[in-house]
Amino acid sequence: AQSVAQPEDQVNVAEGNPLTVKCTYSVSGNPYLFWYVQYPNRGLQFLLKYITGDNLVKGSYGFEAEFNKSQTSFHLKKPSALVSDSALYFCAVRDRDDKIIFGKGTRLHILP
Amino acid sequence: DAGVIQSPRHEVTEMGQEVTLRCKPISGHNSLFWYRQTMMRGLELLIYFNNNVPIDDSGMPEDRFSAKMPNASFSTLKIQPSEPRDSAVYFCASSLAGASYEQYFGPGTRLTVT
Repeated sequence: AQSVAQPEDQVNVAEGNPLTVKCTYSVSGNPYLFWYVQYPNRGLQFLLKYITGDNLVKGSYGFEAEFNKSQTSFHLKKPSALVSDSALYFCAVRDRDDKIIFGKGTRLHILP
Repeated sequence: DAGVIQSPRHEVTEMGQEVTLRCKPISGHNSLFWYRQTMMRGLELLIYFNNNVPIDDSGMPEDRFSAKMPNASFSTLKIQPSEPRDSAVYFCASSLAGASYEQYFGPGTRLTVT
């Protein structure tokens, strides 16, 4: 079955430290992978996507994600966290039927 | 561009009443998605239209829910009759062409059924 997993419900990081939000996927064929962020009382906002090419994808707000085919992962990273990065983060994958599957989300807390 | 527009932003209704949520996608986008978000169940895809045609409605909870897209610039999600367990935030999103492209979400409609 096609799926996407975010194994951590919550991640706590001190401001200024690097952050990683994990995502693994299971999908047939070449995956299209996305990261979205949701701030309180707002809709989701697109951060970045991987379709093909460079395994390291850069996106909005200084975020990047690394596609690892052998580990079927697409972890979201940022070198230096800001308090304003505190939000709910969703990983998503497009499956072979052109349908989108979202993970359950990871709440990121950046501690001042 | 104004982005995806949803109305109303908040809706409070009594059990048994009909509720209609509205969405205007970004001009030029061919795909539209309706989602529901709750603390218990997270983000759920309800239905997905491509060129005004429903592609996947497997997420629609039951017959009480229906969605239409009469033209490229307007969609509705209707609940009739509404129940307290329908209380949630309903999001509409649009993309250029299907699930291969990033989606742009509206601000959501917070529905409370009492």
